[in-house]
Amino acid sequence: DAGVIQSPRHEVTEMGQEVTLRCKPISGHNSLFWYRQTMMRGLELLIYFNNNVPIDDSGMPEDRFSAKMPNASFSTLKIQPSEPRDSAVYFCASTYPPGDYNGYTFGSGTRLTVV
Amino acid sequence: QKEVEQNSGPLSVPEGAIASLNCTYSDRGSQSFFWYRQYSGKSPELIMSIYSNGDKEDGRFTAQLNKASQYVSLLIRDSQPSDSATYLCAVNSGGSNYKLTFGKGTLLTVNP
Repeated sequence: DAGVIQSPRHEVTEMGQEVTLRCKPISGHNSLFWYRQTMMRGLELLIYFNNNVPIDDSGMPEDRFSAKMPNASFSTLKIQPSEPRDSAVYFCASTYPPGDYNGYTFGSGTRLTVV
Repeated sequence: QKEVEQNSGPLSVPEGAIASLNCTYSDRGSQSFFWYRQYSGKSPELIMSIYSNGDKEDGRFTAQLNKASQYVSLLIRDSQPSDSATYLCAVNSGGSNYKLTFGKGTLLTVNP
């Protein structure tokens, strides 16, 4: 099993540019989560999907952030326009179907730097 | 606002000692509890889960849960320098909601 795959690993962009982060969950996992981690705020849930449907996006900071999951094997998190305060590590995680919940498996993360 | 609180540390212990990490949570209806370990620059990895009051042991790790006190802890016996990492407590409110709320983590340093 290749685990949760995120790309890119590092992204440096200029303020105002569009940034797209990508995630491939573990095959068979039907829940997918996007988190952001900073020193000040720790791990914050941005949005999560069940069976490709967004269930809770209350953690999305503002309209500049959007997320999609067009199929069971792919999700994107987009920031447009990006701002320096968006600099953080963004993690994607996935988990088992209902009835077998045992926490998440995280991807390696994308370290985003907005200058 | 559901909260998970941890002492940020750093917690420093000598090699071979027992490290004790603590976590409290605000949502009394929480159902599942997890400990993740995160090495610097890496992603969190699950090391323990616990669902019922009491102790759960896995090798050198023991998770303890007290729902009445809304308290969960992780004990690491015979601590090794390789255990030096940030330990994150995570809580799930159960039902059909699979999202986890994380504490900010406790940095553990094991000194040789």
